[in-house]
Amino acid sequence: EIVMTQSPATLSVSPGERATLSCRASQSVSSNLAWYQQKAGQAPRLLIYGASTRATGIPARFSGSGSGTEFTLTISSLQSEDFAVYYCQQYNNWPVTFGQGTRLESK
Amino acid sequence: QVQLQESGPGLVKPSETLSLTCTVSGVSISSYYWSWIRQPPGKGLEWIGYIYYTGNTNYDPSLKSRVTISVDTSKNQFSLKLTSVTTTDTAVYYCARIDSSGYYFLAHWGQGTLVTVSS
Repeated sequence: EIVMTQSPATLSVSPGERATLSCRASQSVSSNLAWYQQKAGQAPRLLIYGASTRATGIPARFSGSGSGTEFTLTISSLQSEDFAVYYCQQYNNWPVTFGQGTRLESK
Repeated sequence: QVQLQESGPGLVKPSETLSLTCTVSGVSISSYYWSWIRQPPGKGLEWIGYIYYTGNTNYDPSLKSRVTISVDTSKNQFSLKLTSVTTTDTAVYYCARIDSSGYYFLAHWGQGTLVTVSS
């Protein structure tokens, strides 16, 4: 099973600033990596797939990069609605696995 | 647009079987892969398994011995059964649709339903 490790566990950033979230895979997952946003009491929402492709309706301030074992989600200018928990997910190998999440909070 | 809605008991006793149904609307259940994911309170996401409309399934190895996912194309529904539950199976259970590309990421989710295992 591929282990996905996200860092940091919690990230405090001021509105309008840039946030950078990291995700590392225990072995290569090529570009088969997705990012989700989850707000309290809601289902996750797909942000990025294929490591860097934005899902339908996702604002351009969200961008993903990386391949192999190292991935990054960048939010270029944080809006109030962006404060949430973010999960990465690899789908290169079965079983599909998620990271433990990064909580993005307002500073 | 695609809509998914989970239904089933919110409380299950230890050692019994958890049963949930996902009703799909806005699209035929045929020609897609469908999945169940769960999230224990305050914790991360765990993929339970998936099913193709033909009935082909694949399960997470850690749950494989206790899980059955089935599909009813006539009702546009798919279901989850998890046997011999314990308190560690307490979670919000989500149904979701795997992307139409066949790659196992999820663009369409149900709202989730909390299932508590308790006597």
